[in-house]
Amino acid sequence: GAVVSQHPSRVICKSGTSVKIECRSLDFQATTMFWYRQFPKQSLMLMATSNEGSKATYEQGVEKDKFLINHASLTLSTLTVTSAHPEDSSFYICSAGARDYGYTFGSGTRLTVV
Amino acid sequence: GENVEQHPSTLSVQEGDSAVIKCTYSDSASNYFPWYKQELGKRPQLIIDIRSNVGEKKDQRIAVTLNKTAKHFSLHITETQPEDSAVYFCAASWGNQFYFGTGTSLTVIP
Repeated sequence: GAVVSQHPSRVICKSGTSVKIECRSLDFQATTMFWYRQFPKQSLMLMATSNEGSKATYEQGVEKDKFLINHASLTLSTLTVTSAHPEDSSFYICSAGARDYGYTFGSGTRLTVV
Repeated sequence: GENVEQHPSTLSVQEGDSAVIKCTYSDSASNYFPWYKQELGKRPQLIIDIRSNVGEKKDQRIAVTLNKTAKHFSLHITETQPEDSAVYFCAASWGNQFYFGTGTSLTVIP
């Protein structure tokens, strides 16, 4: 089956610094990758949708300058949380796939900003 | 955009009993409805899905029903076991857009 790798699994950073999270499709080409944010005991909130080679489409209320998404290849998308603050602490999870192939979640990244 | 509502938010059942989780959606264009199981701190795992041209699908103890007219779909788990305890999310999708329900925390009491 499809395998999606996400790194790092956990990261602790200081307030004001930036953090990059990688999402890789290991055995297939992902034309589309989604980035979600999940607060404790809550649902997955879609942040943005990225298609390879084009700019990400952000959901309403998500700051594109704060959450930089790059989908430079069919196997890699990155989410960079810029100038992180404690309120950015959350579980970030990607999902990768293709329309007729289905979508698979990455293992998630627990971000803690101190 | 799509709005997916999920009920109940929490559900406790005795081992061996059945569990039912219901979702409604708003966008009639949605044509793919997956269900995910998420254990604490782990990624959501697809457990079953249904497309809009099908009314019901079953996989061992898990079944999903879809009523397109009413825009609702349900997850049925029979003969529940303690390992079924987790948070379950429904989702509605068309094209490559996915929208998730708010989740149901299922506890199966031994």
